[in-house]
Amino acid sequence: DTEVTQTPKHLVMGMTNKKSLKCEQHMGHRAMYWYKQKAKKPPELMFVYSYEKLSINESVPSRFSPECPNSSLLNLHLHALQPEDSALYLCASSGQGGGGYTFGSGTRLTVV
Amino acid sequence: RKEVEQDPGPFNVPEGATVAFNCTYSNSASQSFFWYRQDCRKEPKLLMSVYSSGNEDGRFTAQLNRASQYISLLIRDSKLSDSATYLCVVNLGAGKSTFGDGTTLTVKP
Repeated sequence: DTEVTQTPKHLVMGMTNKKSLKCEQHMGHRAMYWYKQKAKKPPELMFVYSYEKLSINESVPSRFSPECPNSSLLNLHLHALQPEDSALYLCASSGQGGGGYTFGSGTRLTVV
Repeated sequence: RKEVEQDPGPFNVPEGATVAFNCTYSNSASQSFFWYRQDCRKEPKLLMSVYSSGNEDGRFTAQLNRASQYISLLIRDSKLSDSATYLCVVNLGAGKSTFGDGTTLTVKP
């Protein structure tokens, strides 16, 4: 069983919808991440939270809005997405220093 | 030049073979290094960390060469279950890591 839990596992949304992806970890990690992965490509970093503060935003469009309510939770709010945003969205956490990530099983998002 | 370049593969090997993957990185300030394994439609899973002194875990050996800026992964006595995509990851510190494009390994009976 993964120690980073993501919900939902699958999501289909229209371009005018608002939805949220959720991630929870109970590993005591203080860094949490959102990655986007397209088929046959490596994960691409979107956001990094360190000690519940946004520390890295990799020039992600504003239709993706992250939120870290506490040290265990990470959300990604989605609004007005485009079909090209369809991908696997992975949450990860790590101890101090980065790398050594533990990934959640991901949310497979389809935008129609 | 990409920050992290990985053998493109694919590698198709018979069971029992030894296979090696390499990954080069461009930033000499890179701090830590990892190999991940990703099965089809699954999340990446940490396989092992990579140190200059080498790191061995059963049939898997990882090595870091800082002078030449590359990391390697050696798999001995390949099993069918080793079939997956292997990703090298280079950590730059401050929460930022770069993934290689991945190398696909298929082990055949």
